[in-house]
Amino acid sequence: SAVISQKPSRDICQRGTSLTIQCQVDSQVTMMFWYRQQPGQSLTLIATANQGSEATYESGFVIDKFPISRPNLTFSTLTVSNMSPEDSSIYLCSVVKTGNTIYFGEGSWLTVV
Amino acid sequence: SQQGEEDPQALSIQEGENATMNCSYKTSINNLQWYRQNSGRGLVHLILIRSNEREKHSGRLRVTLDTSKKSSSLLITASRAADTASYFCATESGSEKLVFGKGTKLTVNP
Repeated sequence: SAVISQKPSRDICQRGTSLTIQCQVDSQVTMMFWYRQQPGQSLTLIATANQGSEATYESGFVIDKFPISRPNLTFSTLTVSNMSPEDSSIYLCSVVKTGNTIYFGEGSWLTVV
Repeated sequence: SQQGEEDPQALSIQEGENATMNCSYKTSINNLQWYRQNSGRGLVHLILIRSNEREKHSGRLRVTLDTSKKSSSLLITASRAADTASYFCATESGSEKLVFGKGTKLTVNP
């Protein structure tokens, strides 16, 4: 069974709306990571989601645009707010488990029209 | 900012040939990882090499790491059409965050 389950897997969104992506892990993890992959590009880290504290954002990403929740050690959400076509990307959740093995979800493929 | 830089950006070979992809990075690392991404799919972890390792094998994959040159290579031997995908290197420097390179798009022609 999958280590990480991401929802939705795909969506087409209207400009100006917001969408929340969910990431469910099959066991407790300390840190969860959210990455973005724009079309034809590599992955860029958006933020690190820690349980019990605010997420830590990378340069170029802000909480108002990408609010993150981490209510417990197995779950996190990323919201893409006030979407524009430039937000069309794959959004991936990642975790580190025992032995420093890194797992990625299958990604949430968003198209903004 | 991207730390890893792969070359070539695109590589087209015939089935049965070997494919070599290179990755360079800028800062000290704990480990370097290679991932594959098939078109329209998620990431698949291929292999992790730690900073104190120089070479690692997994099936038809061979990864080398030269920390003095801050570079790594991924060799796929006896390539198959199913190896067609984008390959990314990613470095981890102690925070468990990964910094990805731009990727190499490999096409293996039958």
